[in-house]
Amino acid sequence: AQTVTQSQPEMSVQEAETVTLSCTYDTSESNYYLFWYKQPPSRQMILVIRQEAYKQQNATENRFSVNFQKAAKSFSLKISDSQLGDTAMYFCAPQGGSEKLVFGKGTKLTVNP
Amino acid sequence: EADIYQTPRYLVIGTGKKITLECSQTMGHDKMYWYQQDPGMELHLIHYSYGVNSTEKGDLSSESTVSRIRTEHFPLTLESARPSHTSQYLCASSEYGRSYEQYFGPGTRLTVT
Repeated sequence: AQTVTQSQPEMSVQEAETVTLSCTYDTSESNYYLFWYKQPPSRQMILVIRQEAYKQQNATENRFSVNFQKAAKSFSLKISDSQLGDTAMYFCAPQGGSEKLVFGKGTKLTVNP
Repeated sequence: EADIYQTPRYLVIGTGKKITLECSQTMGHDKMYWYQQDPGMELHLIHYSYGVNSTEKGDLSSESTVSRIRTEHFPLTLESARPSHTSQYLCASSEYGRSYEQYFGPGTRLTVT
């Protein structure tokens, strides 16, 4: 991927509700991986979920799931039953050339009690 | 949690000083990366390495240099720190051929006065 667009710089959601973070990207690769990373305030960046582009089935990891549309180059993250601990910066990161990741500018998500 | 460590976590230093940011991982990963991140902003790749004695410059030009003499160690050096170098520096590693997931260290927050 050469460019990654996260069109929502900031979002907020009430605890227990569902929120979707959007991501679009541009790539010339045919087979690649895509990732969502989470960076809580003043804490370490951690992987949320991974999707393999050749798999049609959307990845799911507990309350986190993705809507991957390969033709549209769209990779959105859905968080169900939002919790206070989900408050963080979320980065979309498709695999670029030479096995590097290309990070979007991030979406700052705040979960309100 | 991933076994990747960065020291120091915080550093305040005067202009013109030489500094080395340390990054070590105990996972035996061949690939390691340095990113620069301003608070609440996107990550920019500044250096990467695919193995011992292999280093490459990333997408963002940086005055820093790196070395990779041992698999587990990937230090970043600034010969003469300037206020423009003030930022957070994140180190990451990944295993060759394994989905390209990157594991991140806790980061070093550098302030040059």
